[in-house]
Amino acid sequence: GAVVSQHPSRVICKSGTSVKIECRSLDFQATTMFWYRQFPKQSLMLMATSNEGSKATYEQGVEKDKFLINHASLTLSTLTVTSAHPEDSSFYICSAEEGDTEAFFGQGTRLTVV
Amino acid sequence: QKEVEQNSGPLSVPEGAIASLNCTYSDRGSQSFFWYRQYSGKSPELIMFIYSNGDKEDGRFTAQLNKASQYVSLLIRDSQPSDSATYLCAVGGGADGLTFGKGTHLIIQP
Repeated sequence: GAVVSQHPSRVICKSGTSVKIECRSLDFQATTMFWYRQFPKQSLMLMATSNEGSKATYEQGVEKDKFLINHASLTLSTLTVTSAHPEDSSFYICSAEEGDTEAFFGQGTRLTVV
Repeated sequence: QKEVEQNSGPLSVPEGAIASLNCTYSDRGSQSFFWYRQYSGKSPELIMFIYSNGDKEDGRFTAQLNKASQYVSLLIRDSQPSDSATYLCAVGGGADGLTFGKGTHLIIQP
């Protein structure tokens, strides 16, 4: 199957700083990538849809100025958590679809804001 | 608001038995249905997807879809301890992304 690489896998940052998470499709081009967030013992919740060459589409309740998404190429989308706070601590996962069928997930990023 | 419901469990099944996982969804227009397995601290991995009513088999796994009842299930035959994980039902896909259930925690007892 297709490979989606997400980096870093784990990051600890101080409150008020920004963190960038990268999501790459390694062996296919993804015009659309998705960013999800998962709190402990909860399901994955879609945060935003990242579209190559255009603005991301955010789900209701997700602050677009706080979670900056850039999809500059067909193989790379980045999520920047700006001015992070402890409540932003979560597991962030990206996914990309090859064609219109399977969604392949990155390894996930465990963000801890202290 | 699309919703996907799953029993959180834990569901405990003896090794070698059949594990049955169930999921209901609210959006009658949904076309694509997925089962993911997630180990603690890891990202989900796709087990199966199904689009049409009926059964779809892949090895020890069988997905069942009933669109009239808005119900999708996953059967795991000859359950192994390595099957112990959280199983996520997801609906949708394409341009809208996926809507996930909260997952069912499955425990296979040796």
